[in-house]
Amino acid sequence: SQTIHQWPATLVQPVGSPLSLECTVEGTSNPNLYWYRQAAGRGLQLLFYSVGIGQISSEVPQNLSASRPQDRQFILSSKKLLLSDSGFYLCAWSGTGEETQYFGPGTRLLVL
Amino acid sequence: AQSVTQPDIHITVSEGASLELRCNYSYGATPYLFWYVQSPGQGLQLLLKYFSGDTLVQGIKGFEAEFKRSQSSFNLRKPSVHWSDAAEYFCAVSGATNKLIFGTGTLLAVQP
Repeated sequence: SQTIHQWPATLVQPVGSPLSLECTVEGTSNPNLYWYRQAAGRGLQLLFYSVGIGQISSEVPQNLSASRPQDRQFILSSKKLLLSDSGFYLCAWSGTGEETQYFGPGTRLLVL
Repeated sequence: AQSVTQPDIHITVSEGASLELRCNYSYGATPYLFWYVQSPGQGLQLLLKYFSGDTLVQGIKGFEAEFKRSQSSFNLRKPSVHWSDAAEYFCAVSGATNKLIFGTGTLLAVQP
């Protein structure tokens, strides 16, 4: 069966520091991968999605970037964190040509 | 523009009572519709989905949802709520682009 992992689970970082969040999927090949952010009291916003290695689409302009160095690995990064980057970051995957997305456990990021 | 509206931000029901969570969508073509549940600090779990066919769909944990095209709605129901159902519920829509658009969520509290 397929599983999706995210780490770290929780992260507290100072403003201006770099960020790297990792997401990996097991049990499937060539998945579509997604990064979402969930701010307090708000819904989920799609940040990036990827249909293959090195292929990244950005949905909203922001302080973050994403990379997909391997088929089942998706990384969310920032060079310098802002206070507004705080939130709950969720990674998701879907099968090629499939609509249903499956979510990881999330990473809670607090920028102080 | 595509959108999802969940008009109830917060709902409280008594354990054993019936539940209906509302969801309205705006989408130009035939939508794919989803309900997800999120326990505090956790990722999203898929409850059920509608792609086509029978407009009443059954999901996990005793939930069901009915697609009503004339009302652009996809309401979630459960005949008897359990204390473990307390969580936040998200309705989402997607189309050919595989991008999920979420509502802002409904937080369900269950009274003993």
